[in-house]
Amino acid sequence: DAKTTQPPSMDCAEGRAANLPCNHSTISGNEYVYWYRQIHSQGPQYIIHGLKNNETNEMASLIITEDRKSSTLILPHATLRDTAVYYCIVRVARLGVDNNNDMRFGAGTRLTVKP
Amino acid sequence: GAGVSQSPSNKVTEKGKDVELRCDPISGHTALYWYRQRLGQGLEFLIYFQGNSAPDKSGLPSDRFSAERTGESVSTLTIQRTQQEDSAVYLCASSLERPGLIGVAYEQYFGPGTRLTVT
Repeated sequence: DAKTTQPPSMDCAEGRAANLPCNHSTISGNEYVYWYRQIHSQGPQYIIHGLKNNETNEMASLIITEDRKSSTLILPHATLRDTAVYYCIVRVARLGVDNNNDMRFGAGTRLTVKP
Repeated sequence: GAGVSQSPSNKVTEKGKDVELRCDPISGHTALYWYRQRLGQGLEFLIYFQGNSAPDKSGLPSDRFSAERTGESVSTLTIQRTQQEDSAVYLCASSLERPGLIGVAYEQYFGPGTRLTVT
């Protein structure tokens, strides 16, 4: 699976948009981009995923560049409860084959939403 | 519906003892993962189960670690002769994913984890 690079930490003011970047310059054509977050002392929580097109759900928006080498997770109106570590992961969509089962969570970005 | 559950939530054990951690996945989820997370670090993949197929054990750190799962139900992670470096949160996740599907992506649902402390 492709390696991702994220800034170790970011701050955001409450009510403002939080834009979390992720570089995945070696991503393959069959790899999805996933975002998860982990609030302190809890298990990771799925946020969103995408392949090529931008995606939006009730939690966030995912913007993937045309060359797919980077993406940005957008929390449109950050709240204090969005303070968490955000993980960007790329993973093949063909599952259960050749040990491509490791969902590689790196160190992520620690987002702190401030009042 | 019910999410992924894990037990115990906390476990303190003496060095050298064996421990068994339990994971109850979401009903109908064929895929099950175990991860380890040391304090302040990211998740470390341990093992993957998919239906009745042979598990992917490539992430297990040593032969002291083993895991079992019967069909698509409960899984247990066993650590024998625990060491202090085994202290971590052990997370379980399940997913609807199926092997061989191409172009379909599924998210993982995580349990709350078991915090293991080896003294």
